[in-house]
Amino acid sequence: GAGVSQTPSNKVTEKGKYVELRCDPISGHTALYWYRQSLGQGPEFLIYFQGTGAADDSGLPNDRFFAVRPEGSVSTLKIQRTERGDSAVYLCASSPTRTATNTEAFFGQGTRLTVV
Amino acid sequence: AQSVSQHNHHVILSEAASLELGCNYSYGGTVNLFWYVQYPGQHLQLLLKYFSGDPLVKGIKGFEAEFIKSKFSFNLRKPSVQWSDTAEYFCAVNPSGSARQLTFGSGTQLTVLP
Repeated sequence: GAGVSQTPSNKVTEKGKYVELRCDPISGHTALYWYRQSLGQGPEFLIYFQGTGAADDSGLPNDRFFAVRPEGSVSTLKIQRTERGDSAVYLCASSPTRTATNTEAFFGQGTRLTVV
Repeated sequence: AQSVSQHNHHVILSEAASLELGCNYSYGGTVNLFWYVQYPGQHLQLLLKYFSGDPLVKGIKGFEAEFIKSKFSFNLRKPSVQWSDTAEYFCAVNPSGSARQLTFGSGTQLTVLP
């Protein structure tokens, strides 16, 4: 597709369950970013990939959160033992350039996660 | 660490009014600056960006922003707003010369009354 695709668009899960959120970036984009946006706030950084490796995972809030990008394209954000406080919109973005280059990020529609 | 402040949480204007949304940042080096817009039900879209050069940047849909280095500011302006400009606006920064992640402000909700 032409843009960043995120699935599912909505996810409702019970407290304590495991969830996976998928991001399909724009073809050929080497950089991929995950953000989390709570109501009334701006997006907050979670993790940044260059290719297959996590260049910066300092935004992951705790060890229940993990993300992978095994082939350098699609990425999955995994949340274990979900808590009600994890409820938010999870945004994915990608950009075409490598580490030491100014770039702009292109965002997906997001996955709205609700933990009940 | 970087931080971004957007002082106006909600702005209400009538059509044809002029717009200025404030954005200030804190960072110990040079930065790239961005304004993103999120229309209702849509994804974040880039309005304009500043990397270097002319501090007055023109973007899409008649928006512009001015980087004032001495004030650590990057305010967004539009001389005459339209009802279709109703959206949430986010200012963001990242370190200059990098593809690193963005630090966003908390956003400003703009409502334009017809």
